[in-house]
Amino acid sequence: GAVVSQHPSRVICKSGTSVKIECRSLDFQATTMFWYRQFPKQSLMLMATSNEGSKATYEQGVEKDKFLINHASLTLSTLTVTSAHPEDSSFYICSSKRRNYNEQFFGPGTRLTVL
Amino acid sequence: AQSVTQLGSHVSVSEGALVLLRCNYSSSVPPYLFWYVQYPNQGLQLLLKYTSAATLVKGINGFEAEFKKSETSFHLTKPSAHMSDAAEYFCAVTLLADFGNEKLTFGTGTRLTIIP
Repeated sequence: GAVVSQHPSRVICKSGTSVKIECRSLDFQATTMFWYRQFPKQSLMLMATSNEGSKATYEQGVEKDKFLINHASLTLSTLTVTSAHPEDSSFYICSSKRRNYNEQFFGPGTRLTVL
Repeated sequence: AQSVTQLGSHVSVSEGALVLLRCNYSSSVPPYLFWYVQYPNQGLQLLLKYTSAATLVKGINGFEAEFKKSETSFHLTKPSAHMSDAAEYFCAVTLLADFGNEKLTFGTGTRLTIIP
């Protein structure tokens, strides 16, 4: 149980385009989802926290108009990188958490490359 | 605010030798502590977690960690390294006081290399 999927696993896009990444909890209801960004050989940095049906809470320094997060249901959250630029190239990882559980379940990640 | 420090960005051990990955935490309230493993181009997999129960925690793949409050440490060990243990390991902390949107704070990671 507690499987989290991400789609796509890899995406290459041109500068200026927008890219949407999906994060799904396959066998449980995720009351909270987290989005992380990981640069090569570095740790995970939390970008934002989203609760189902409410606006995401962004970490300091993360542009909310640049990284749009939607948590429309208890099993799906999406991260849209708008007007992507090469510096947005990174590994994006989501995680999901159930209510009253102290563990996050991580997706396999999405590697974004912006040309 | 909570934080974790992982000493040693790279650790190399021989196959069959003891694995010791160090993690020290800082937290003003009792913490939850986690160790995750990440293989190349993959997400994170939970190895084990401390949630204020037994101080010696056993995880998957033969790993274990001991919570030592006096030393504010949560070091990860494995008696005998296997080639498949080569990966990146992250220590993380969150606060148990809040079952809401608690955030995980990750250490900078330790890359474990196994020497044949």
